[in-house]
Amino acid sequence: SQTIHQWPATLVQPVGSPLSLECTVEGTSNPNLYWYRQAAGRGLQLLFYSVGIGQISSEVPQNLSASRPQDRQFILSSKKLLLSDSGFYLCAWSLPGSGEQYFGPGTRLTVT
Amino acid sequence: QQQVKQSPQSLIVQKGGISIINCAYENTAFDYFPWYQQFPGKGPALLIAIRPDVSEKKEGRFTISFNKSAKQFSLHIMDSQPGDSATYFCAASMQNSWGKLQFGAGTQVVVTP
Repeated sequence: SQTIHQWPATLVQPVGSPLSLECTVEGTSNPNLYWYRQAAGRGLQLLFYSVGIGQISSEVPQNLSASRPQDRQFILSSKKLLLSDSGFYLCAWSLPGSGEQYFGPGTRLTVT
Repeated sequence: QQQVKQSPQSLIVQKGGISIINCAYENTAFDYFPWYQQFPGKGPALLIAIRPDVSEKKEGRFTISFNKSAKQFSLHIMDSQPGDSATYFCAASMQNSWGKLQFGAGTQVVVTP
């Protein structure tokens, strides 16, 4: 069966510091991968998606970037965090051609 | 511009009652409509989904009703239980969109004992 992992689970970082969040998927090959951000009490905002290694599409221009160095690894990064980057970051995967999307447990990021 | 509009924003229902959440969309190219359930501090979990070739899909106490002509779909939670208290999101996607989902804003459901 497929499993999706995210780490860290929680993170507190000062403004201006770098960020690296990691997501890995097990039990499948060549998945589509997605990064979302969810502000407190709000909906899900798609940040990036990837259909293959090294292929990244950005949905919202901002202070963040994404990379996919391996088939089942998706990384969300920032060089300098802003207060507005605080939120709940969710990674998700789907099989190509399938609408079914499965979410990871999320990372709670607080920028102070 | 939000492509999927969800209502109500919040809902309180008594145990044993029916919870109804509605969603509307404009893009007729959408062909997949899932519902997600999210508990506080957790990632959303796929609950049930429907495609426009059927008007209703039922899984246990959860039912999706789909009205293609009205471009609306809804989630019904029958015999609501306190454990159903969560935030529910509707979503929609279309073919050739790399599986990208357009989410509604979410509905917080509280089931009182």
